[in-house]
Amino acid sequence: DAKTTQPPSMDCAEGRAANLPCNHSTISGNEYVYWYRQIHSQGPQYIIHGLKNNETNEMASLIITEDRKSSTLILPHATLRDTAVYYCIVRRYGGATNKLIFGTGTLLAVQP
Amino acid sequence: GAVVSQHPSRVICKSGTSVKIECRSLDFQATTMFWYRQFPKQSLMLMATSNEGSKATYEQGVEKDKFLINHASLTLSTLTVTSAHPEDSSFYICSGTTNEKLFFGSGTQLSVL
Repeated sequence: DAKTTQPPSMDCAEGRAANLPCNHSTISGNEYVYWYRQIHSQGPQYIIHGLKNNETNEMASLIITEDRKSSTLILPHATLRDTAVYYCIVRRYGGATNKLIFGTGTLLAVQP
Repeated sequence: GAVVSQHPSRVICKSGTSVKIECRSLDFQATTMFWYRQFPKQSLMLMATSNEGSKATYEQGVEKDKFLINHASLTLSTLTVTSAHPEDSSFYICSGTTNEKLFFGSGTQLSVL
């Protein structure tokens, strides 16, 4: 079963920051938090991952709470092309056989 | 990021026929690939783990004789849907993994008439 909880949907105005929350209260010490997104009828796209420190790349920032029980994905300036389903997933790092189990995700709708 | 190529992107077949879907890792070696299925407005469901040179590991409830997986090389895994029926119509997605990340193919929309 998926080990994360996300709101089913969110709206965001174009140009504003989109903050997507995720709860993973049962995360274990060797599990990382991964974020992927899926635009309609395409394969999921990797966004970012982290263990306990905040992470930033060209797509987004990931803020993980100190107790690691929740995290927030931040898209700093959302565009219409960011409309997608966003999945927060916990996965053990290292070891190619470690699976990625998807939950229901958050449908982010960026409004013009 | 790494590239996973999946073909075909769309296939329509008659009931009772078999369909093969190919998944290739183009710029990395994937000792393990995963196969997912996705029904409309639902999340991705893991079907099986494909290991190069050995038998695939199937998730509970997935028929191994129905969904044949072959992973003959470090860059190619195939999923064959045998004797397809309309209820097998779905979006099938493969992924290849480095130790750190999973990279996904673009998916195959299978429609069985």
